[in-house]
Amino acid sequence: SQQGEEDPQALSIQEGENATMNCSYKTSINNLQWYRQNSGRGLVHLILIRSNEREKHSGRLRVTLDTSKKSSSLLITASRAADTASYFCATSRYNTDKLIFGTGTRLQVFP
Amino acid sequence: DAGITQSPRHKVTETGTPVTLRCHQTENHRYMYWYRQDPGHGLRLIHYSYGVKDTDKGEVSDGYSVSRSKTEDFLLTLESATSSQTSVYFCAISRGVENTEAFFGQGTRLTVV
Repeated sequence: SQQGEEDPQALSIQEGENATMNCSYKTSINNLQWYRQNSGRGLVHLILIRSNEREKHSGRLRVTLDTSKKSSSLLITASRAADTASYFCATSRYNTDKLIFGTGTRLQVFP
Repeated sequence: DAGITQSPRHKVTETGTPVTLRCHQTENHRYMYWYRQDPGHGLRLIHYSYGVKDTDKGEVSDGYSVSRSKTEDFLLTLESATSSQTSVYFCAISRGVENTEAFFGQGTRLTVV
């Protein structure tokens, strides 16, 4: 089964609004990573948060990690139409070299 | 963009035929991964490699084999393609996902008819 499950599966918002996506996972991790995928393209890394970190920022992105609940959230502030894409969380499982992805959230930002 | 190239980018093949997809990197990264992406399933790990001739299975390895005879190339083979293997296949490379990110190729769209 998938290591990461994300919700919502799809999200539609207006430009300027904030978008929040959530990710849950099942086992101990080294870190949790978020990726973005534009339609028909490869994935691009957005941000990595280590298991001993609770929050991390990068530009308009804010990621939180709660290891006690085995969950993470990605917040995109002041969204733009160009943020329209699918977003995936991925976990580096503790003591392995595997990177396991969730099912993703499709974000649509309307101008 | 990281130096990672997948070939072919598109392929149509018949059921029962062997198919090999190639991933080539110029970054000298130790780790290489093959994923498949299907609607509703996200990306699922097929196989990965942690060095030349060192490979391991992922979540959905049945029907697939891999080989890595040199650092820069990671081959994915479908020994006898089936319609359930119609998918988009992505290769990724990394210096080590315990500490850093993975870089992805542009994908190979495989259709098995």
